[in-house]
Amino acid sequence: KNQVEQSPQSLIILEGKNCTLQCNYTVSPFSNLRWYKQDTGRGPVSLTIMTFSENTKSNGRYTATLDADTKQSSLHITASQLSDSASYICVVSERDTDKLIFGTGTRLQVFP
Amino acid sequence: GAGVSQSPRYKVTKRGQDVALRCDPISGHVSLYWYRQALGQGPEFLTYFNYEAQQDKSGLPNDRFSAERPEGSISTLTIQRTEQRDSAMYRCASSLIQGLDSPLHFGNGTRLTVT
Repeated sequence: KNQVEQSPQSLIILEGKNCTLQCNYTVSPFSNLRWYKQDTGRGPVSLTIMTFSENTKSNGRYTATLDADTKQSSLHITASQLSDSASYICVVSERDTDKLIFGTGTRLQVFP
Repeated sequence: GAGVSQSPRYKVTKRGQDVALRCDPISGHVSLYWYRQALGQGPEFLTYFNYEAQQDKSGLPNDRFSAERPEGSISTLTIQRTEQRDSAMYRCASSLIQGLDSPLHFGNGTRLTVT
């Protein structure tokens, strides 16, 4: 079982709508949680990095939240644009080893 | 260079051949990670280094896979006796310091196809 589970696996929304992607993890202890956006055929691009003590972090229309007690994180996208179509990957870093544990990703498609 | 450089960009090889994939991280970056991504799948961690020391190789699928970073800079991922299931995009990433809040810089990857 993957230590970082993301849901939904795929999502289709209309342009202008909001959406929320989920990341549940069992990695413990962890030092930070990152959200990445990966366009098809490209490398991942960092959206947010949160330490275990942070609850929320924003980057433009992207807002990530973290609940370290329930081991859940979410990425909220506001007023989606066609260019938001991509895979979104949650990555958790183990505290003692700094090993990166990748989530399985959510494939988001934004339609006009 | 300005970013993480990987070579070759594409590699097509016949089953049973050995391949070596190269990652040249950003100069001075301490940590270097290898992972692979099959088409339509999420990334799969392979191994990582701090300086020249391999910290964790638990993600390497089997003993045909090995990686080294002898001088703490360039890293090579070697796959021996390749199999079709090895076909994937192999990416590396580096970061300036170990761990907390250190941004990861990703390479463009090597697309490996085993025929």
